[in-house]
Order: sequence, then structure tokens, then C-alpha cells
Amino acid sequence: AQTVTQSQPEMSVQEAETVTLSCTYDTSESNYYLFWYKQPPSRQMILVIRQEAYKQQNATENRFSVNFQKAAKSFSLKISDSQLGDTAMYFCARGSNYKLTFGKGTLLTVNP
Amino acid sequence: ETGVTQTPRHLVMGMTNKKSLKCEQHLGHNAMYWYKQSAKKPLELMFVYSLEERVENNSVPSRFSPECPNSSHLFLHLHTLQPEDSALYLCASSQDLQGGGNTIYFGEGSWLTVV
Repeated sequence: AQTVTQSQPEMSVQEAETVTLSCTYDTSESNYYLFWYKQPPSRQMILVIRQEAYKQQNATENRFSVNFQKAAKSFSLKISDSQLGDTAMYFCARGSNYKLTFGKGTLLTVNP
Repeated sequence: ETGVTQTPRHLVMGMTNKKSLKCEQHLGHNAMYWYKQSAKKPLELMFVYSLEERVENNSVPSRFSPECPNSSHLFLHLHTLQPEDSALYLCASSQDLQGGGNTIYFGEGSWLTVV
């Protein structure tokens, strides 16, 4: 089975600091997409950032950026200037065709 | 108004009951999905519909029965469930099925407890 692994079940960071969430994945396909989704306590899953595997440039969305290492099949998420509202479960996902395969998630807590 | 709306938000049902979960998307999308989210497990894709046609039934037990009357509405009919079916059921939609790059938009989920 092609899997997505998030090795950090829980992490915490102080407000205004930077944190990096890890994700590795397994795939035999050459063309695929990678995503980070955020699920705050309200439970609605929200897209944070998206990366196309054939693009070498790392995606960035405001305070969120990724470090995409295709050869290593690694896709980490960096959150800069962490805010209290960033407290949530973060899910890494790999997309091919119409299917998303998710990791188990990392619970991030931002402390004041 | 949120893009994907699910009702009810919370449901408690006995193992002999029949109930339904409802999902509506206001995004003009052509594809809709049901996912199951259990504690400590990755999200599990259950069903996929494209233009009201089911394209995926991911080995889901027959006690879960989906229905997609049009591209904006998706139902999950539940009957004779087991306690292990207790979970958060997430509905989602995307523009279409082409490629793996379409962003999938999720509803807030229906929290189901089977007693």
C-alpha cells in the first residue's frame, strides 16, 4: 500500500516561533500532488498549501512554506511566526487521480 | 455560507436504527466524496461520485449506502451499524476528478455515535 507517514503525533511551539512538521510518503507514480491540510477544533478540514510534484520550486503561502525533497519523498511544512490560531491537527496528503491518501496527522499546539 | 454543509453535526443511533447523513456543496463542483475519520487512524476514503455517478466504492460494508441525486447533494444512508462505526464522517467536493491536483474542500463533518 502506498502510504503517507507523519512521524510526529504531537508537537508544541511558542507563539511567534517557527515549527516544522515532517511528512514522508511512498509512491510509484511520477506525477502526483502533495497537500497539507489543517483541522482546527471546529473540525473543518482546510487546505493550507499544495505542491505539484513536477515543480521543483517549494510552495509558499504567507507564513506557511514547504520543503519538498522529491528524491527523498519528503514534504515538510514550516510555519513561521506561529499564532495561537495555528493550533490544530495537520494532515499531510498525497494525491493521484482523484484519491487523497492521508497521514495520521500531527497535533500542533501553539502556546502563548 | 460555507462551501460544503453537512447535517446533522452530531448523531447518536442504536444498532437497529436507520438514519441518513446529508451533504450539500455550494461550490459548483462535479465530484463529491465521503470520508471516515476515526481516532488514531488516517482518513479513509469511502465513496466517490462524479456527476452523480459512483466511481469508487472502497470496500465499504453494505450497511453504508450512498446516494447522489444531483451534483450538489450527497447522502450516506446508515442501517444496522456497529459500535466500531462510530466516527466523524466527512463530506468533501472538488471541481472534478481529473488528475490528483484538484483541491478537495471538506465539510465540518457529522459526528456519529453508535450505541
